[in-house]
Amino acid sequence: DQQVKQNSPSLSVQEGRISILNCDYTNSMFDYFLWYKKYPAEGPTFLISISSIKDKNEDGRFTVFLNKSAKHLSLHIVPSQPGDSAVYFCAARSADRGSTLGRLYFGRGTQLTVWP
Amino acid sequence: EAGVAQSPRYKIIEKRQSVAFWCNPISGHATLYWYQQILGQGPKLLIQFQNNGVVDDSQLPKDRFSAERLKGVDSTLKIQPAKLEDSAVYLCASSPGARFQETQYFGPGTRLLVL
Repeated sequence: DQQVKQNSPSLSVQEGRISILNCDYTNSMFDYFLWYKKYPAEGPTFLISISSIKDKNEDGRFTVFLNKSAKHLSLHIVPSQPGDSAVYFCAARSADRGSTLGRLYFGRGTQLTVWP
Repeated sequence: EAGVAQSPRYKIIEKRQSVAFWCNPISGHATLYWYQQILGQGPKLLIQFQNNGVVDDSQLPKDRFSAERLKGVDSTLKIQPAKLEDSAVYLCASSPGARFQETQYFGPGTRLLVL
């Protein structure tokens, strides 16, 4: 049962343009969301996060938007650079104190390719 | 600061054989996680340790998988016997504790191929 869904397996964007990666979730107890970036042969690295008390978090070229009513979040990269080419994973953590703190639920990932 | 270390990086075995993976977390990190990432999917948590105690192993196939974290530092994950469907990347991650909004830091992973 996939509780975090990334329905686009790939995205191709020209350098300098905006990249928008989308993520949907089904569990209403998810209260904290993260994006990880993964290069080939490396482990995922943390990129940016957002708590459900916010609807936007910005860090340089990266902005994450959260729409709790739609159970949807998106990652915007502006401007996109060739070095951003990687697999991006959306992940969520449950606020349910009955569940184990720390467990992340990951989506399948979106391969972003930024071409010159 | 040194990152999460894992070895080996690659392993090829035949089904029914045994295999073990090693992880050394970031120094001082109390919480250690093992994830399984099958090709085309996101990482899935197998087991979580807080110091040397198991916090969550609900998704660990205990008939064939085992893990330990002696002395609350490094950890080993073992598969015995391996099946074809165990082919995946095994990721180790660590975090300072298990507080709600802590970032998990991942190692490079061990890529396992079971033939």
